[in-house]
Amino acid sequence: EVVLTQSPDFQSVTPKEKVTITCRASQSIGSSLHWYQQKPDQSPKLLIKFASQSFSGVPSRFSGSGSGTDFTLTINSLEAEDAATYYCHQSSSLPQTFGQGTKLEIK
Amino acid sequence: QVQLQDSGPGLVKPSQTLSLTCTVSGGSISSGAYYWSWIRQHPGKGLEWIGYSYHSGSTYYSPSLKSRVTISVDTSKNQFSLKLTSVTAADTAVYYCARYVTGNFDLWGRGTLVTVSS
Repeated sequence: EVVLTQSPDFQSVTPKEKVTITCRASQSIGSSLHWYQQKPDQSPKLLIKFASQSFSGVPSRFSGSGSGTDFTLTINSLEAEDAATYYCHQSSSLPQTFGQGTKLEIK
Repeated sequence: QVQLQDSGPGLVKPSQTLSLTCTVSGGSISSGAYYWSWIRQHPGKGLEWIGYSYHSGSTYYSPSLKSRVTISVDTSKNQFSLKLTSVTAADTAVYYCARYVTGNFDLWGRGTLVTVSS
């Protein structure tokens, strides 16, 4: 099973700040890494697919990069509505697995 | 546009079977290369993949739940379902139905909180 480890677990940030969340895989997964945003009491929403491809309708301030075992989600010029928990997910091998989540708090 | 609506009992007794249904609206469950999925989230915790099924009946389950899980697709009703047997308190979670396509879950239901308690 591929284990995904995100860092940090929690981050408190101010609006307009640039945020970077990392996800490290326990083995190489190519670019089969995806990012989701989950706001309180909502279901997760796909943000980035295959490491760097933006999903339809996602604001351009969200971007992703990486391959192999190390991946990054970047949020440029953070907005208040970006307060959420962010999860990475790998689809390289079964079982599908998720990272433990990174909670972003807006100051 | 396509939407997913999950439904089912919010309370299940220990040792009984948890049964949830997800209704697909705005599109056919048989179209495209979609796998129809269930994912759960324990209270205050992260996401756990349970498994998924293609409309033809091919299924894939998480090894940790495989012995207790059945996911099935009913094309006549445009629905898919989850059955989890012999539940315990550890199965208390929000259960989401989701659509899986070429590597990612691109559409999710709103989620159903299922509590296992006598």
